[in-house]
Amino acid sequence: EVQLVESGGGLVKPGGSLRLSCAASGFTFSSYSMNWVRQAPGKGLEWVSSISSSSSYIYYADSVKGRFTISRDNAKNSLYLQMNSLRAEDTAVYYCARDVQVDPWGQGTLVTVSS
Amino acid sequence: DIQMTQSPSSLSASVGDRVTITCRASQGIRNDLGWYQQKPGKAPKRLIYAASSLQSGVPSRFSGSGSGTEFTLTISSLQPEDFATYYCLQHNSYPHTFGQGTKVEIK
Repeated sequence: EVQLVESGGGLVKPGGSLRLSCAASGFTFSSYSMNWVRQAPGKGLEWVSSISSSSSYIYYADSVKGRFTISRDNAKNSLYLQMNSLRAEDTAVYYCARDVQVDPWGQGTLVTVSS
Repeated sequence: DIQMTQSPSSLSASVGDRVTITCRASQGIRNDLGWYQQKPGKAPKRLIYAASSLQSGVPSRFSGSGSGTEFTLTISSLQPEDFATYYCLQHNSYPHTFGQGTKVEIK
């Protein structure tokens, strides 16, 4: 069974940093591209970033470009999102999801940016 | 960037009703579109992939159609467990983009 488990969320002050992790199991992680998607409280879904299976191709939403960095460790079956210069508008549940087609999803981890 | 315009933003319907939700892409995306259902506090669940293929385990009352720029999700007979928010997603090009969502509520 495919499992994606996010961790690393929490409360951080504006301007601060946080690193999210996504632990993958139940499939050959190194064969799939991976994604981060977020959802602000009471709002819709927003694609954040994607990384190809070998990390050769990386894409970001304009809203996070220059502040967030996606990476992966295929030996550890793990996906990461380093978030710097955090803003109040980055407050959201962050989901990791597999594949170009963005499925399946993890359960999400909440990031709250507030002073 | 490709914009996805989803309509309606909300609808009220009764159990047994036929429900249709539409997504329009600002440019052609072939059939690179998925439909997702999300219930409060839960991660989205994909219902349809490649615009019209039913995800394994999803009831057959859900169907998708369309190609290019016009796409439709249809629920043939709404059930109590179908009250949720639905999103389309285009993955034809980056940035991937979601529709704004459709909240299906009980009439």
